Amino acid sequence: DTGVSQDPRHKITKRGQNVTFRCDPISEHNRLYWYRQTLGQGPEFLTYFQNEAQLEKSRLLSDRFSAERPKGSFSTLEIQRTEQGDSAMYLCASSPRTGGYEQYFGPGTRLTVT
Amino acid sequence: TQLLEQSPQFLSIQEGENLTVYCNSSSVFSSLQWYRQEPGEGPVLLVTVVTGGEVKKLKRLTFQFGDARKDSSLHITAAQPGDTGLYLCAGRYGQNFVFGPGTRLSVLP
Repeated sequence: DTGVSQDPRHKITKRGQNVTFRCDPISEHNRLYWYRQTLGQGPEFLTYFQNEAQLEKSRLLSDRFSAERPKGSFSTLEIQRTEQGDSAMYLCASSPRTGGYEQYFGPGTRLTVT
Repeated sequence: TQLLEQSPQFLSIQEGENLTVYCNSSSVFSSLQWYRQEPGEGPVLLVTVVTGGEVKKLKRLTFQFGDARKDSSLHITAAQPGDTGLYLCAGRYGQNFVFGPGTRLSVLP
């Protein structure tokens, strides 16, 4: 299976700890998106990469959040000093360089901050 | 700020019934996508509509993009239990997307 993968699938952490999530996109896709989804809501845009360049970051994203895509392949999303309000599903999606920006989502990482 | 609304929020129907769900905005989008999401999984793309007035069919699912590219509908014919899930619409502006809150569909056997 060459779909989008995310690791870990689940993460439980205590408030104040740092966490890092990884996303491996479909190999030929140059666009990569991070979203956050809370219960009963649709995915909320966090940030977008084209190759290794981070082209857009949501204004809703606090300074505690940072994302990287160093070689234009996999990406990491780090949350520093986690808060209970950070509990959510974090979704990664990739999109090919041509076509209609179709997004292919990974299974997500569910974060629980206690 | 681009916002998408979806209606109804919840829908529970019997197997074999037809249904339509709606996605509305005051903003114009370059294209609009529909996804289905199951619990604990990421959304799965169903269709992309690009042109105002466009209609696309995917087996028992019919998708329509409004003439002004501000709204869309999804019609399911003869719903089956396998259609159960969260249906999300997403509008593209530039290279980014905004998602609606979804319609949670339950098809009872």
